[in-house]
Amino acid sequence: SQKIEQNSEALNIQEGKTATLTCNYTNYSPAYLQWYRQDPGRGPVFLLLIRENEKEKRKERLKVTFDTTLKQSLFHITASQPADSATYLCALNLSGGYNKLIFGAGTRLAVHP
Amino acid sequence: EAQVTQNPRYLITVTGKKLTVTCSQNMNHEYMSWYRQDPGLGLRQIYYSMNVEVTDKGDVPEGYKVSRKEKRNFPLILESPSPNQTSLYFCASTTREGGEETQYFGPGTRLLVL
Repeated sequence: SQKIEQNSEALNIQEGKTATLTCNYTNYSPAYLQWYRQDPGRGPVFLLLIRENEKEKRKERLKVTFDTTLKQSLFHITASQPADSATYLCALNLSGGYNKLIFGAGTRLAVHP
Repeated sequence: EAQVTQNPRYLITVTGKKLTVTCSQNMNHEYMSWYRQDPGLGLRQIYYSMNVEVTDKGDVPEGYKVSRKEKRNFPLILESPSPNQTSLYFCASTTREGGEETQYFGPGTRLLVL
């Protein structure tokens, strides 16, 4: 069966450390993968997109890797801050499927001062 | 300011009482979607629209209807709500640039069906 897995348990880290979140998928062939941030009671906000032929993409303190062999994406936040605390969602865009995003359930990140 | 708006933000209703959740975007996007979000399940697409008068089912369309009479508006209609439709609903508007899609989500509508 097709599925996307993100750690259901919250990730707790100390301020200043690097947070690493994982997104694994099976039986999909995504054209690209996206990461979103969602705060409580708010809609998801787009952060980064990485294509299937890209290994790594960076934006400020954020870095995303995409390994289509392992079927895994890693999302890193360096020098984390308490303001980074939120739930992070990964989403796959399926090849040839316009407007067809499949979302993971998300991982909650808590950055402690 | 580019945005997607939804109304109402919170709604409590009873089984069988028809309701409509409105969605509007000011970005002139052709593509819009409705999702529901339930604990542990992630966002699931209900319906999407590729343009005015063009709509199609997503992954969980049962019990829902949509319409797209104008580009900016994409209302979600529950003709006869049931308790299993209690959920958090998000409307999204999609831009497509360079073959890549980015979705802009509304603030969400929390629905409770008694």
